[in-house]
Amino acid sequence: DAGVIQSPRHEVTEMGQEVTLRCKPISGHNSLFWYRQTMMRGLELLIYFNNNVPIDDSGMPEDRFSAKMPNASFSTLKIQPSEPRDSAVYFCASSFLLARNTGELFFGEGSRLTVL
Amino acid sequence: AQRVTQPEKLLSVFKGAPVELKCNYSYSGSPELFWYVQYSRQRLQLLLRHISRESIKGFTADLNKGETSFHLKKPFAQEEDSAMYYCARSGTTDSWGKLQFGAGTQVVVTP
Repeated sequence: DAGVIQSPRHEVTEMGQEVTLRCKPISGHNSLFWYRQTMMRGLELLIYFNNNVPIDDSGMPEDRFSAKMPNASFSTLKIQPSEPRDSAVYFCASSFLLARNTGELFFGEGSRLTVL
Repeated sequence: AQRVTQPEKLLSVFKGAPVELKCNYSYSGSPELFWYVQYSRQRLQLLLRHISRESIKGFTADLNKGETSFHLKKPFAQEEDSAMYYCARSGTTDSWGKLQFGAGTQVVVTP
């Protein structure tokens, strides 16, 4: 298994443009997480899905951010319109969450976003 | 809100010296605690979890519920231990899978 796959690895865009980040979780995992990493705030959980259903999106910073998981093998994180303060590394992670046992999170390599 | 505090942003130690990374968490129920590590040019990955009670790469971490701490320790640091370390805790009953991470501690081991 290639692990969690994210694309693009790097994205440079101008303020106001729409950005779409993509994630393919590990096959068989039932939970998917989107994190944002910055120097100032470290790793912040944006949203997580369980069985393709968004469970907690309280970390999504603004309405400009949206995430979808149309099926068990694909998720997107969209920023529209993008702003310079959105510049960060965005990580996707997946796990197999069973009842009250927190499964190990497997992370992708991240998508480095720069908004000019 | 659940919080995880890692007070040290940077730890610089000499090879062979002991290293301890501090982690404190906000109390709420009985969370699971984890240490994740990110080596240079590698993915963030699980190092150890408190329920396993095992030593990984010479690292151990003891959960102290009284002090709500989960400090990571290694008696003799090696150069390959240089990495970014994150402490994390699970959520509460209704959001069990929600891992909250600390800000991270950069460890630099010098020869």
